[in-house]
Amino acid sequence: DTGVSQDPRHKITKRGQNVTFRCDPISEHNRLYWYRQTLGQGPEFLTYFQNEAQLEKSRLLSDRFSAERPKGSFSTLEIQRTEQGDSAMYLCASSFGENEQYFGPGTRLTVT
Amino acid sequence: GQQLNQSPQSMFIQEGEDVSMNCTSSSIFNTWLWYKQDPGEGPVLLIALYKAGELTSNGRLTAQFGITRKDSFLNISASIPSDVGIYFCAGQLRGNTPLVFGKGTRLSVIA
Repeated sequence: DTGVSQDPRHKITKRGQNVTFRCDPISEHNRLYWYRQTLGQGPEFLTYFQNEAQLEKSRLLSDRFSAERPKGSFSTLEIQRTEQGDSAMYLCASSFGENEQYFGPGTRLTVT
Repeated sequence: GQQLNQSPQSMFIQEGEDVSMNCTSSSIFNTWLWYKQDPGEGPVLLIALYKAGELTSNGRLTAQFGITRKDSFLNISASIPSDVGIYFCAGQLRGNTPLVFGKGTRLSVIA
């Protein structure tokens, strides 16, 4: 039984570059969530998908951020024109319907 | 927006001691969850609570869903070194709404 996986685990990029992260949920889970976590804080919700439909977006998700889940399986989160304030851990979680959310190991982004 | 207050922010305890931490909210939640996070990793689900007043155990961990639906408690009995980490509470209003997290309680265990 594989859990949620995320790739890459770490990413260092220069300000202004674009980055893309991938999340593979638990195989039978139809919901997929993205959260962001900064140092000393709990995770904060960004957006979520049910199958391929993006159902909710947080106001934290600026127009530089875009997420997709084209076939209802894996998802990608892209950040365009990265800023230093984007440095954080990006966490993906999945659930089957309204059941508990299980998190992946996260992608640590550092913008220099 | 909604905020969860966790206390204490950090604790240092001796191995073998019991631990208590809590989480309070200014608004009602219908689901409470407790997660543990190790450095550089994602949160791992420990316990989920779905009903006001519910008391649920998972090994040495026991959590309670407060009857006002605005708080939850987590107890760890007979702590061991691998209990070290950050414990987060999360509240959820409905199954199709996002989780709202507290800032965490950092637990250190002295052998």
